[in-house]
Amino acid sequence: QVQLQESGPGLVKPSETLSLTCTVSGGSISSYYCSWIRQPPGKGLEWIGYIYHSGGTNYNPSLRSRVTMSVDTSKRQFSLNLSSVTPADTAVYYCAGHIAVTGHFDYWGQGTLVNVSS
Amino acid sequence: SYELTQPPSVSVSPGQTARIPCSGDALAKQYAYWYQQKPGQAPVLIIYTDSERPSGIPERFSGSSSGTTVTLTVSGVQAEDEADYYCQSADSSGTYVVFGGGTKLTVL
Repeated sequence: QVQLQESGPGLVKPSETLSLTCTVSGGSISSYYCSWIRQPPGKGLEWIGYIYHSGGTNYNPSLRSRVTMSVDTSKRQFSLNLSSVTPADTAVYYCAGHIAVTGHFDYWGQGTLVNVSS
Repeated sequence: SYELTQPPSVSVSPGQTARIPCSGDALAKQYAYWYQQKPGQAPVLIIYTDSERPSGIPERFSGSSSGTTVTLTVSGVQAEDEADYYCQSADSSGTYVVFGGGTKLTVL
């Protein structure tokens, strides 16, 4: 059974870069895409973008100018960087695995809360 | 930007049937997926490709599609079904993932 685990700082200062890692266990990292999805407190889900094991990416147009995703297959990790953060970026950030490009998400991490505050 | 529209809330009594619609122009050509999310938990896939149910999901959950609207139906609602439900699909080109705003199902 594939398991995903997000990790990273729980507090980021405004204007700085939010950096998170998703570690994959229990399955092949080459089998699927990894999307990042966020959920502000009390609000709905927002897709940030995905990365494939080969490094190919696709980002939500509304966040594209601030998002960078990467993959380290040797460590079985996907990473998310979101630059120039503001309090509006405060959210639970999930990584999720999917086989089809814009298909359903089969596997989800437990999520990690990132608070943007000075 | 492309959007999927869901009602903010739906309320039903136990044993009744709840229907949660999700509308969007691209749903006429893109599949829809449904997730259930309970407080403090990650979403769980309950319907894929409009109407298929993953293993382990109770039969009372079903999905249907008609034109630009997809519907999640929960038959014989139970107290444990109280949760937020999200539809997910893609834009018409199949490039970008989009979520509906979510519907809170309340069991009276």
